[in-house]
Amino acid sequence: KQEVTQIPAALSVPEGENLVLNCSFTDSAIYNLQWFRQDPGKGLTSLLLIQSSQREQTSGRLNASLDKSSGRSTLYIAASQPGDSATYLCAVRIIQGAQKLVFGQGTRLTINP
Amino acid sequence: DAGITQSPRYKITETGRQVTLMCHQTWSHSYMFWYRQDLGHGLRLIYYSAAADITDKGEVPDGYVVSRSKTENFPLTLESATRSQTSVYFCASSDPGGVGTDTQYFGPGTRLTVL
Repeated sequence: KQEVTQIPAALSVPEGENLVLNCSFTDSAIYNLQWFRQDPGKGLTSLLLIQSSQREQTSGRLNASLDKSSGRSTLYIAASQPGDSATYLCAVRIIQGAQKLVFGQGTRLTINP
Repeated sequence: DAGITQSPRYKITETGRQVTLMCHQTWSHSYMFWYRQDLGHGLRLIYYSAAADITDKGEVPDGYVVSRSKTENFPLTLESATRSQTSVYFCASSDPGGVGTDTQYFGPGTRLTVL
């Protein structure tokens, strides 16, 4: 059974810092991996999607990497801003599971002005 | 309004009552999903649908019923609500093969409390 883990559960850093969020998964047989952002009381917003054949994806100040063989992904946020404060979740699409995603429990990020 | 909407946004009900949560999307996405989000468990898939009249169980389907007679709607029914079904419910949709392939788009959620 695929399990997705995100460490740390919470992270607080001062504004302007570059930071890395981690995601690990137990079964390397994945179709793709997505990073989402969730603001308090809101739904999830997709940030980046990496196909299993890709090593990284970039969008603005965000860069996500994928190392399928080691079961790891990282989300790099450059020059963090208070508006980046949110919970970040990663999710893997399991190959056998027709569009089904398995989510980690998220990292709650706080950027202090 | 364009996008994916859920109603109601908040619902309080009593144990044993039937409750239906509504989900509507305007993109004509083929896939739709229902998740529940709980502290300590994260997001878990309840049911999903690949197309109208095609549904399948997810990780935690017990106590829930779904239907999909139209592509744009995917209601979730709790036939006899229990306190353990108190949660935040999210609906999502995706369009395999389209732009942003596999990206799931989420609704704003319904916060359900069962007393």
